[in-house]
Amino acid sequence: EAQVTQNPRYLITVTGKKLTVTCSQNMNHEYMSWYRQDPGLGLRQIYYSMNVEVTDKGDVPEGYKVSRKEKRNFPLILESPSPNQTSLYFCASSLSLGGGRAGPYNEQFFGPGTRLTVL
Amino acid sequence: SQKIEQNSEALNIQEGKTATLTCNYTNYSPAYLQWYRQDPGRGPVFLLLIRENEKEKRKERLKVTFDTTLKQSLFHITASQPADSATYLCALVPLWGNTPLVFGKGTRLSVIA
Repeated sequence: EAQVTQNPRYLITVTGKKLTVTCSQNMNHEYMSWYRQDPGLGLRQIYYSMNVEVTDKGDVPEGYKVSRKEKRNFPLILESPSPNQTSLYFCASSLSLGGGRAGPYNEQFFGPGTRLTVL
Repeated sequence: SQKIEQNSEALNIQEGKTATLTCNYTNYSPAYLQWYRQDPGRGPVFLLLIRENEKEKRKERLKVTFDTTLKQSLFHITASQPADSATYLCALVPLWGNTPLVFGKGTRLSVIA
């Protein structure tokens, strides 16, 4: 089944304790992205990756890191989490147009979400 | 800075009527505009995509229009059903992939039987 998986689904942690949220897709998509969703603020892009070893900042990258060593995986790293990073996080992937035109030009497939609470 | 607005936070309509949701944007030149449906606690699900050179797109009871002059997209659900109740999000997709993608805050649609 074509899907995007995220782990963990729920996480409660304390300020400053490094954590990683994993994201994996089995659709051979080039484009992957991380979003956070907060009440009243909507879905905001944190980081995105157009292909392996290519990552770029989205609208709200502060306090986050990502890596794209393999096409299928795109982990989100919080080196020193703070309470303002309490949020619902979504990973998404998309097939690019081809011909070198990478980007979310087709539908994005979203993961089930990770609800993170930082105390 | 770029801005995207969806007409209202919440919209209530009677079953069988047509729901119309609006997405307006400024300071942005999208190549595509996407619409998603999101149910509580779940990830968004793709519905429709429309390109800047397309005026209208249809899929079953859904219709999307895109007016780059007005900088506006309209999303219609005809013959609405209670099962259509959800939050609907629009997203602006840039011309070049190496530019952030921007989502609206969403409109929560409630279809009343």
